[in-house]
Amino acid sequence: DQQVKQNSPSLSVQEGRISILNCDYTNSMFDYFLWYKKYPAEGPTFLISISSIKDKNEDGRFTVFLNKSAKHLSLHIVPSQPGDSAVYFCAADNNDMRFGAGTRLTVKP
Amino acid sequence: NAGVMQNPRHLVRRRGQEARLRCSPVKGHSHVYWYRQLPEEGLKFMVYLQKENIIDESGMPKERFSAEFPKEGPSILRIQQVVRGDSAAYFCASSLPPTGGALKKLFFGSGTQLSVL
Repeated sequence: DQQVKQNSPSLSVQEGRISILNCDYTNSMFDYFLWYKKYPAEGPTFLISISSIKDKNEDGRFTVFLNKSAKHLSLHIVPSQPGDSAVYFCAADNNDMRFGAGTRLTVKP
Repeated sequence: NAGVMQNPRHLVRRRGQEARLRCSPVKGHSHVYWYRQLPEEGLKFMVYLQKENIIDESGMPKERFSAEFPKEGPSILRIQQVVRGDSAAYFCASSLPPTGGALKKLFFGSGTQLSVL
């Protein structure tokens, strides 16, 4: 069962522009939503999270938006930097944490 | 800096052999999770353990796979009679016990890359 879906396997943006990564979920019982970032040959690292009772959380260049009615969340990175190039995983938590398939972001100089 | 430690980093096995993957959680973390990442795919949940207790193993294949997290020592993911389809990166993560509604943040190890010849 794929409770968390990231339908875009890859995204390429120019340095300085906005990156928008999307995620959809099916289980309305999720309490928290998280974004993890993964570099090659490393484990995922936590980036930002949002509680199900909020619709926006901002941390520096990273903002996560949650639309509960649409069961959709997105991660905005602005301005994008080459060091942001990585695979981004969306995750949702309700006792067990479930991950999407990931989106590979490439930020071109 | 005692983060999640996984070993070995790379493990090569022939078909039919056993693979044992180890995970030492962050000091003080009593909850461990195992995930599998197949090539070009995302992280697939396998099992969620507390010390001496399996909380959720709904993602574990019914046969050949087992996991434990003993009172002392690392968590072990064991794959018996490996097949080529078991080749993947296996990630372990740990967390503090969930506290009623609070955010649970997982800390991941660097993974074990299992290659089955």
